[in-house]
Amino acid sequence: KAGVTQTPRYLIKTRGQQVTLSCSPISGHRSVSWYQQTPGQGLQFLFEYFSETQRNKGNFPGRFSGRQFSNSRSEMNVSTLELGDSALYLCASSLEWGGPSNNEQFFGPGTRLTVL
Amino acid sequence: SQQGEEDPQALSIQEGENATMNCSYKTSINNLQWYRQNSGRGLVHLILIRSNEREKHSGRLRVTLDTSKKSSSLLITASRAADTASYFCATDAGANDYKLSFGAGTTVTVRA
Repeated sequence: KAGVTQTPRYLIKTRGQQVTLSCSPISGHRSVSWYQQTPGQGLQFLFEYFSETQRNKGNFPGRFSGRQFSNSRSEMNVSTLELGDSALYLCASSLEWGGPSNNEQFFGPGTRLTVL
Repeated sequence: SQQGEEDPQALSIQEGENATMNCSYKTSINNLQWYRQNSGRGLVHLILIRSNEREKHSGRLRVTLDTSKKSSSLLITASRAADTASYFCATDAGANDYKLSFGAGTTVTVRA
């Protein structure tokens, strides 16, 4: 089975712009979670989608949003980019219903976003 | 804010030695997971231990969980150069909160 794929792998944007990142989960996985990783804050949970519904949400401002499609593929969007949004954005998928903490998470390679 | 905190922040050991790292968390949990991250393979799941379990093994890995102390430990036995990585514990906040909160990680360097 193919692993979790994320596109693009690298992205450079300027402040004020918006960005959309894409994640394709492992085939058959219905739960997709997004995380932000920075040297200062570490790995932080953004949100989780299951069957096209946002089920869990972390403590990020409304500029961060996401969605999931019927084929379980997910996108996250960051509007009005700030310098502090520079980070590695990781997507993870899992098979079962019970949420990220109940199941092994399979992570993608991440999208490295640089905001200038 | 982070639920879990790993200790030590960094660890350097000789190949063949054992490595132990600890994770402490603040609130009751449903489950605790350990992950490894290196530049080659990204973030990889190691073990999930449920709050009613005390110990789990997977190959050279042994995880313990002490819910009374709100702590967990990860032991890697007979370490190899390929074990060089950052190790993270991840927990939820108990009850019906299933989102994962990661600690800052322990960086392990295995010297040949």
